Amino acid sequence: QKEVEQNSGPLSVPEGAIASLNCTYSDRGSQSFFWYRQYSGKSPELIMSIYSNGDKEDGRFTAQLNKASQYVSLLIRDSQPSDSATYLCAVTPSGAGSYQLTFGKGTKLSVIP
Amino acid sequence: DADVTQTPRNRITKTGKRIMLECSQTKGHDRMYWYRQDPGLGLRLIYYSFDVKDINKGEISDGYSVSRQAQAKFSLSLESAIPNQTALYFCATADRALESYTFGSGTRLTVV
Repeated sequence: QKEVEQNSGPLSVPEGAIASLNCTYSDRGSQSFFWYRQYSGKSPELIMSIYSNGDKEDGRFTAQLNKASQYVSLLIRDSQPSDSATYLCAVTPSGAGSYQLTFGKGTKLSVIP
Repeated sequence: DADVTQTPRNRITKTGKRIMLECSQTKGHDRMYWYRQDPGLGLRLIYYSFDVKDINKGEISDGYSVSRQAQAKFSLSLESAIPNQTALYFCATADRALESYTFGSGTRLTVV
């Protein structure tokens, strides 16, 4: 079974620090990778997508992808208390019969003021 | 208006009652999904549909049924609710490449 693994946390960082969230995936054929942010009791919202090896930056967020190591990460610079949420990693599965994104169970981030 | 609208937002119901959760979308996506989310278990797929005539069971479909009334509407029913169906339920839509996945705001269901 194709899986996406994340450390459940909680990951606690002080305000202003860099938060590093990690994700590994088992499907070597996956081509697209996503990070969703989910506040408690709310729906997941897409914050980053990445398709090629390397880094992709968007404001305070940087997604990093290493397909050889089957590893994707999300860095949050200058972390703010409003970044406290659960972060879900998701990948598109390979194969013609793929019908849904494969989600990790999420890492809970807590930014301490 | 939201791209994916779920109703109701919150619902408390009694064991044995029938309940329907509704989802409508303006994304124009063919694919629609129903997930439930429980603490520590992540998102689990209940049912998914690729069009009005194509409905498929997910990993936890027992106790649930669905109806795709139109391309934009996908409803989830609990025929006889039980307490362990207490959860947060999400409807989602996606394009064929699975690269535009959008969630509804969720329904918090409590079965007492």
